[in-house]
Amino acid sequence: DAKTTQPPSMDCAEGRAANLPCNHSTISGNEYVYWYRQIHSQGPQYIIHGLKNNETNEMASLIITEDRKSSTLILPHATLRDTAVYYCIVRVEGDYKLSFGAGTTVTVRA
Amino acid sequence: GAGVSQSPSNKVTEKGKDVELRCDPISGHTALYWYRQSLGQGLEFLIYFQGNSAPDKSGLPSDRFSAERTGGSVSTLTIQRTQQEDSAVYLCASSLEKATTPFFGSGTQLSVL
Repeated sequence: DAKTTQPPSMDCAEGRAANLPCNHSTISGNEYVYWYRQIHSQGPQYIIHGLKNNETNEMASLIITEDRKSSTLILPHATLRDTAVYYCIVRVEGDYKLSFGAGTTVTVRA
Repeated sequence: GAGVSQSPSNKVTEKGKDVELRCDPISGHTALYWYRQSLGQGLEFLIYFQGNSAPDKSGLPSDRFSAERTGGSVSTLTIQRTQQEDSAVYLCASSLEKATTPFFGSGTQLSVL
């Protein structure tokens, strides 16, 4: 019952912005969009989350479309250390469950 | 202080043996999760603890798997009579409260020979 759709893989150039898309066309008004990433042999790392407004922190920016059916995670200046699997997750407000899909394997190339 | 701590980082065991995996959550976090990640697969939810409430065990794959959380802090995941298909990375996460952001540990790589 995947609630999000992400491309299986993408390449990015080091130093450039990386734009990672996610479709969540069936999202409900009380569901948040979360992003995690998992670098090889490590546990998932929280990046950012949002409900309907765009969000920015020291790691990334999250742009959510007005209809909330899709979002984009932006890594402003990709480095080789950003190579990882990136997971876009929809989570119901007040619920504890996080369901991970297959994610996008992002490879940053020099 | 520190993040979620898991031990051991690696565990090799023989088929049929019991194993215990430990998770130390972030101090003050009331919610604790266990997930499993088999090679090349996504994360599979196992169990969730929240304060003194009954845990959600809906993700445990068989009755060989059990977990407890003592004193609302440290958690132990126990796998009895391990099988080769139990080989995976076992990940623990904790969050401040029920629906807040979970933070993950580095996991325990379990290999059953």
